[in-house]
Amino acid sequence: DTGVSQDPRHKITKRGQNVTFRCDPISEHNRLYWYRQTLGQGPEFLTYFQNEAQLEKSRLLSDRFSAERPKGSFSTLEIQRTEQGDSAMYLCATLPGEANTEAFFGQGTRLTVV
Amino acid sequence: AQTVTQSQPEMSVQEAETVTLSCTYDTSESNYYLFWYKQPPSRQMILVIRQEAYKQQNATENRFSVNFQKAAKSFSLKISDSQLGDTAMYFCASSSGTYKYIFGTGTRLKVLA
Repeated sequence: DTGVSQDPRHKITKRGQNVTFRCDPISEHNRLYWYRQTLGQGPEFLTYFQNEAQLEKSRLLSDRFSAERPKGSFSTLEIQRTEQGDSAMYLCATLPGEANTEAFFGQGTRLTVV
Repeated sequence: AQTVTQSQPEMSVQEAETVTLSCTYDTSESNYYLFWYKQPPSRQMILVIRQEAYKQQNATENRFSVNFQKAAKSFSLKISDSQLGDTAMYFCASSSGTYKYIFGTGTRLKVLA
């Protein structure tokens, strides 16, 4: 297990369709974060899991967005009824534990809504 | 609320020269961390250097060093002996509490041969 893995790397979808992204963390990293990065901007926090518990959600996360982390392993981020404004890079990051502050990032899923 | 500001959208530097990227931040937390991350084109972000706010000594990692001015809430990154592989987007970030990161808008650095 060499890093955080995200799937798919690219997704093109029509407006109104639902999409789901997956993040596989580094083993034993119990903290998992989703971020959204639009062109020319830094990543913005969406939500945070500690193990299977979703502990924080940003106001950016509208009710069309839902995230899960069953059994505290991989995580999924679903966007329902996609809009063109959802086009962005979705990044997953994980941290190993309480004392370690370095986040490890996946390569991201680039979503294009047409 | 935490904010991070990077005022230099783009910078360039000649190979082997030194460049400094600027970052200012604001936070009401007493215990926080500051980071510089590098995002090469089409590749994932990787940590360049980090600083614990309670440490007065500036962090260094090989050719990378920071100038941490806590009172001024400034956290600049100095890259010495710039290499072509340093070409990337550089993001300044802060974290505290739940360790979610607050990022700046980034500085695109181009190292010229």
